[in-house]
Amino acid sequence: NAGVTQTPKFQVLKTGQSMTLQCAQDMNHEYMSWYRQDPGMGLRLIHYSVGAGITDQGEVPNGYNVSRSTTEDFPLRLLSAAPSQTSVYFCASSSTGGWDIQYFGAGTRLSVL
Amino acid sequence: AQKVTQAQTEISVVEKEDVTLDCVYETRDTTYYLFWYKQPPSGELVFLIRRNSFDEQNEISGRYSWNFQKSTSSFNFTITASQVVDSAVYFCALSDNRDNDMRFGAGTRLTVKP
Repeated sequence: NAGVTQTPKFQVLKTGQSMTLQCAQDMNHEYMSWYRQDPGMGLRLIHYSVGAGITDQGEVPNGYNVSRSTTEDFPLRLLSAAPSQTSVYFCASSSTGGWDIQYFGAGTRLSVL
Repeated sequence: AQKVTQAQTEISVVEKEDVTLDCVYETRDTTYYLFWYKQPPSGELVFLIRRNSFDEQNEISGRYSWNFQKSTSSFNFTITASQVVDSAVYFCALSDNRDNDMRFGAGTRLTVKP
């Protein structure tokens, strides 16, 4: 009964490095999304996908790329990490869309030095 | 544009007190959905409730209750007889059918002291 699985749980990067945050769900959900959580700002939507092959930008997309080749996976790529991307990242999925109940992964804590 | 305001940054109560967390929202749409999520110290986000804009009935679930008032654009959350396990950050969120995203408030950190 895995739900939404995120890896890694923790990561430290140097400025300019690239990495991919992994997200997988086993609930056959069409909608998947990535949020970042910063102190005092709640969660802000980075990118979302309404199905395989379809992605769109959220509120704070700059510096991040996504793709959705399968229903299960929705990786988030940082091409050139910056200190401003230090945050906690959450992946979420729902059955239909952004208006549906979101099921969240455990989060990835990322530090960019 | 959608916006959610949780004016209370932190609240501290003593166990068994009742506490209300405020949530005020803004949207242009007539069809929208309101949510509350709980984030305990362990960090995960736990869904508590979803309410659509056409259902203004208050909801009660055990010690939790929610008061939705469209006239004041508010969706407040009350915990009755609070317990230490209620200590968490609580987020109110809003989503409509237009943008397919969910906007969160900044969260309210609730501390329940024994």
